[in-house]
Amino acid sequence: AQTVTQSQPEMSVQEAETVTLSCTYDTSESDYYLFWYKQPPSRQMILVIRQEAYKQQNATENRFSVNFQKAAKSFSLKISDSQLGDAAMYFCAYRSGRSGGSNYKLTFGKGTLLTVNP
Amino acid sequence: DAGVTQSPTHLIKTRGQQVTLRCSPKSGHDTVSWYQQALGQGPQFIFQYYEEEERQRGNFPDRFSGHQFPNYSSELNVNALLLGDSALYLCASSVRDRSFNYGYTFGSGTRLTVV
Repeated sequence: AQTVTQSQPEMSVQEAETVTLSCTYDTSESDYYLFWYKQPPSRQMILVIRQEAYKQQNATENRFSVNFQKAAKSFSLKISDSQLGDAAMYFCAYRSGRSGGSNYKLTFGKGTLLTVNP
Repeated sequence: DAGVTQSPTHLIKTRGQQVTLRCSPKSGHDTVSWYQQALGQGPQFIFQYYEEEERQRGNFPDRFSGHQFPNYSSELNVNALLLGDSALYLCASSVRDRSFNYGYTFGSGTRLTVV
């Protein structure tokens, strides 16, 4: 079974600064997808960024980028120019790349609570 | 374009009772997944419905059951409620076999409190 570990329960950053959230995962599969989701107090999970494991190039979405290290099974999220609206719980998630069976579920880490200080 | 709609928003039930939670998926989505998120934890996969059948199930007892209707909406039923069932229940919709490209869309959840 796949597992996702987020070792930082809480992180804080000054507004306009850069912060990196860590995520490691364990899998025996070679084909999979990784995601970062943001959960603000409104409770709705919002997709921040996603990465396909077969792509070596790190995904970027505006101020958000990832450092994907497949061999190390590491998938960290970097937030540049942090804004007050970035404050939320951040979850790293894994999905198998295989189709069928039990491969469509998302496996989440426990989350990192990000505080942005003005 | 409406996203995922869940009802009710909040619910308080007594131990031993039964509860039904509802989810309407995003327009164009055909697959519905349910997750349980305990306080301070990440969401845990309960099960997924596609073509009105349960396709996958996580490590949850048979007290948790569901249904998907022809319009793709879904219900989550929990029988014989325990205090430990208190959690945020999230519904996520997606397009089967294209969930990476099209993404998962989550609702805002139902907060269930069992007393």
